[in-house]
Amino acid sequence: NAGVTQTPKFQVLKTGQSMTLQCAQDMNHEYMSWYRQDPGMGLRLIHYSVGAGITDQGEVPNGYNVSRSTTEDFPLRLLSAAPSQTSVYFCASSYSGSNPINYGYTFGSGTRLTVV
Amino acid sequence: GEDVEQSLFLSVREGDSSVINCTYTDSSSTYLYWYKQEPGAGLQLLTYIFSNMDMKQDQRLTVLLNKKDKHLSLRIADTQTGDSAIYFCAESTGFQKLVFGTGTRLLVSP
Repeated sequence: NAGVTQTPKFQVLKTGQSMTLQCAQDMNHEYMSWYRQDPGMGLRLIHYSVGAGITDQGEVPNGYNVSRSTTEDFPLRLLSAAPSQTSVYFCASSYSGSNPINYGYTFGSGTRLTVV
Repeated sequence: GEDVEQSLFLSVREGDSSVINCTYTDSSSTYLYWYKQEPGAGLQLLTYIFSNMDMKQDQRLTVLLNKKDKHLSLRIADTQTGDSAIYFCAESTGFQKLVFGTGTRLLVSP
């Protein structure tokens, strides 16, 4: 099925470990982004990309790295996991361009990360 | 700064209408969106409204926009138990960046 695929769905890490959350889309969307969802705080933008080779920081980028080598993939790397990074992570994608109607994001189903 | 606020919780009975409210701060927002999140799932786009519109109707959904007060609402007619979910409003604040509200958890009881 077309859409945004995130792996893994669940992950438990120890403090200080590193890992990569995977995100792939098959809709040829130029724009991709990572959000974290915490209770009572809505979704906060971590990093985003407007196309292959182009990334930029969002609202809460510290502790996370991204790269965009292909249009399809946008992995999120946690460099040294901390308990404050316990959250649900969502990847989203959309078409690019100047028409905001294209900003109707397609979301993945999320990765629930616990850092102990 | 950019800030989108919603009440956290709404409880209604099946068959009633639900009204979920949202206030935003960026007066330059061009589009405003409503998303639905069911348990264990990502967000799904429900509907959107352009900032030069006052109202948009889409089947059981009615979106009202008061641009002067920066107030957005989503009305769900004949609410069903399947409508139980978290509803997020979001504003577009620039090139493809959306700012989401905190989400309103709607509970529909039989």
